[in-house]
Amino acid sequence: AQSVTQLGSHVSVSEGALVLLRCNYSSSVPPYLFWYVQYPNQGLQLLLKYTSAATLVKGINGFEAEFKKSETSFHLTKPSAHMSDAAEYFCAVSDPGNQFYFGTGTSLTVIP
Amino acid sequence: DAGVIQSPRHEVTEMGQEVTLRCKPISGHDYLFWYRQTMMRGLELLIYFNNNVPIDDSGMPEDRFSAKMPNASFSTLKIQPSEPRDSAVYFCASSFTVSGNTIYFGEGSWLTVV
Repeated sequence: AQSVTQLGSHVSVSEGALVLLRCNYSSSVPPYLFWYVQYPNQGLQLLLKYTSAATLVKGINGFEAEFKKSETSFHLTKPSAHMSDAAEYFCAVSDPGNQFYFGTGTSLTVIP
Repeated sequence: DAGVIQSPRHEVTEMGQEVTLRCKPISGHDYLFWYRQTMMRGLELLIYFNNNVPIDDSGMPEDRFSAKMPNASFSTLKIQPSEPRDSAVYFCASSFTVSGNTIYFGEGSWLTVV
């Protein structure tokens, strides 16, 4: 079975600082990995996804994530945080049966 | 494309009343998912359909919950009778069959049972 673990349910960074949100996955087959963002009072929207092409994936709003098979990780980063990045971030993995497994989410606070 | 469309966006109802949430998936998508999100339990998969057929309903909390998909463009999630602990945001989402495809979420239905 697939699963994801997001380390840190709450992360705070200063505006302009590096954002690092951690995600580790468990998968018995090559995984498809996703990061979603949820802004207050909205649904989840796709930030980026990994589907076995380049290991460094670039997404919207300056975010990127690197697939590291040896570490079973898919951490999300952004070089410089903006106030508008404050949101809930979810890591997810899907399997060949199209089942999605979401992490518990990380709430990002950006301090001015 | 209009995206996944859910209605109502907000509903406040009294305990014991029937609640019906509606969803129109993205045209052409053959997977439809219902999720529930609460502060305590996070994002939970309730049920999902493939080609209008329920595939896995193991996440449905109890018999008070039921979901249907009468055709490819419409699904409902019904709670009868509703209870205060059902208060949550209910999301509908859809995707294509092909593995690795993105799930697209609706804006959610915010349910409050008083």
